[in-house]
Amino acid sequence: GAGVSQTPSNKVTEKGKYVELRCDPISGHTALYWYRQSLGQGPEFLIYFQGTGAADDSGLPNDRFFAVRPEGSVSTLKIQRTERGDSAVYLCASSLTDRGNTIYFGEGSWLTVV
Amino acid sequence: AQSVTQPDIHITVSEGASLELRCNYSYGATPYLFWYVQSPGQGLQLLLKYFSGDTLVQGIKGFEAEFKRSQSSFNLRKPSVHWSDAAEYFCAVGVLRNTGGFKTIFGAGTRLFVKA
Repeated sequence: GAGVSQTPSNKVTEKGKYVELRCDPISGHTALYWYRQSLGQGPEFLIYFQGTGAADDSGLPNDRFFAVRPEGSVSTLKIQRTERGDSAVYLCASSLTDRGNTIYFGEGSWLTVV
Repeated sequence: AQSVTQPDIHITVSEGASLELRCNYSYGATPYLFWYVQSPGQGLQLLLKYFSGDTLVQGIKGFEAEFKRSQSSFNLRKPSVHWSDAAEYFCAVGVLRNTGGFKTIFGAGTRLFVKA
């Protein structure tokens, strides 16, 4: 596609529910990154994929968070038993490889847990 | 641990005045350094990056940044600010993994206000 696409753009969910956020990277990009940005903060690294495998998941805050990229293209970030503190913008980004190519960001998925 | 510090939460400059946004990093190896801009309701956009070579890096929209190893700094500058430059600016460092790939760690950002 022309850019990194994220869906939904906005999601309101109740505390305790399960949420999936989808990221469609730029075609041909092998590296895909997930970040979380809270109000007034910089993007916080969560996880990144090189191809289908998670190259670094050290930023996932706890085991309620999980991400997959089964075919090396689209990725889904999954959040179980959501908490109010999970409310944030979830940013996805992609780059040609993870070796220093420019990273392109999507516009984010705004998640609000009520 | 790797980290990025942007000491100024917000800065206000007059249109046409010069700008310098500060960034300090903590990283044990030679850093890969970046500046991104985020306008309201929009995604992050890369302004410039430093990997090696000339320590003064030119970017888009008339921005430049200078890498100073002795000060662990990578300050962003612009000689004459335009009202459209009002946005949030993020400094970032690329953290190298032993596979050769890297992830990007961001600072907390500096909000730039431009007054007429």
